[in-house]
Amino acid sequence: GQNIDQPTEMTATEGAIVQINCTYQTSGFNGLFWYQQHAGEAPTFLSYNVLDGLEEKGRFSSFLSRSKGYSYLLLKELQMKDSASYLCAALDSNYQLIWGAGTKLIIKP
Amino acid sequence: DVKVTQSSRYLVKRTGEKVFLECVQDMDHENMFWYRQDPGLGLRLIYFSYDVKMKEKGDIPEGYSVSREKKERFSLILESASTNQTSMYLCASSFGTGAVQPQHFGDGTRLSIL
Repeated sequence: GQNIDQPTEMTATEGAIVQINCTYQTSGFNGLFWYQQHAGEAPTFLSYNVLDGLEEKGRFSSFLSRSKGYSYLLLKELQMKDSASYLCAALDSNYQLIWGAGTKLIIKP
Repeated sequence: DVKVTQSSRYLVKRTGEKVFLECVQDMDHENMFWYRQDPGLGLRLIYFSYDVKMKEKGDIPEGYSVSREKKERFSLILESASTNQTSMYLCASSFGTGAVQPQHFGDGTRLSIL
């Protein structure tokens, strides 16, 4: 079956760095998305990786290893506004998104 | 900026009622999607559409139907609402041609069935 695993909840300190991991098992693979979702709001697109390696976008970076079925989202210089859920989703061979349950990130002062 | 607008943020209905959830996007996207989001679960796809008057079942279509009469509008219909359909419903849209494109989401409708 198809499956996405990510931690349910993580806590980090303002100003620090946090890495949110995601492992996936899908029928075929056409890339991996990360979304941010603040409580009561729409998920918003953060990144898309289809090739192995690290892609950096300001304070946020996303990494992909296709051979390991693994991705992570790296958040640097954490701010209180980064408190949100982070959703990992893999695109399968039919170009359908398989979603993880999300990681709730709590930032403490 | 892409705007996906869902008609209601909160909705309370009774068991057995026919419920309509509306979604409109302003970016001329070909693809539109309806998901439900429940605690501890990933987003689950109910129905999607690649074009006007076209619809495809997602992972959990039972108890739902959809309508896409115009490109910008995608409606989700609960034929006879039941308490297990209490959930957050999210609409999304994306471009349908060329390279893989991200989905853009509305703010969601929190639906309670009593």
